[in-house]
Amino acid sequence: EVQLVQSGAEVKKPGESLKISCKGSGYSFTSYWIGWVRQMPGKGLEWMGIIYPGDSDTRYSPSFQGQVTISADKSISTAYLQWSSLKASDTAMYYCARPRYCSSTSCSWFDPWGQGTLVTVSS
Amino acid sequence: EIVMTQSPATLSVSPGERATLSCRASQSVSSNLAWYQQKPGQAPRLLIYGASTRATGIPARFSGSGSGTEFTLTISSLQSEDFAVYYCQQYNNWPLYTFGQGTKLEIK
Repeated sequence: EVQLVQSGAEVKKPGESLKISCKGSGYSFTSYWIGWVRQMPGKGLEWMGIIYPGDSDTRYSPSFQGQVTISADKSISTAYLQWSSLKASDTAMYYCARPRYCSSTSCSWFDPWGQGTLVTVSS
Repeated sequence: EIVMTQSPATLSVSPGERATLSCRASQSVSSNLAWYQQKPGQAPRLLIYGASTRATGIPARFSGSGSGTEFTLTISSLQSEDFAVYYCQQYNNWPLYTFGQGTKLEIK
């Protein structure tokens, strides 16, 4: 079974750094892109960016470029989303998700999804 | 960026009735459109991909249609477990995925 398991909830102060994780299992981790999606409280889904763990090729949504860093450690089948200096507006649920398949030029819908990591930033 | 617009924002329907949700793309996405269901406290769940193909395990009362810029998700006879928020997503303009803002389906 293909699964994505995310790290637990975090409570941080503004200005602090944070790295959350998403561990893939049940498939070849280096052969599939993994994306990140933000959901602010009571709001909709926003695609943030995506990484190919095989060669660390990373693409960002223009809205999130420079605001976060996406990385992966293929030795432990884990993708990461990190912030160097959190803001209160980063408070949200963050999901990782894997495209169902990819061709040489594009990827498909997301399935499966991780269970989500709630990040709360408050002084 | 392709903008996805869902309507209505909230839809009130009685159990057993039909619900019709709409999603419009700002430019053609061909049939590269997915629908997700999200219940409170849960991750989104894939319902439909390729605009009209039901995902594994999705009941036949869910159906999707459309292509280009206009898409519809229809739930033929609402069950209590169907009341949730529904999102469309285009994956035609990879890697710039975009989601609609969601339609909340509530009990009338």
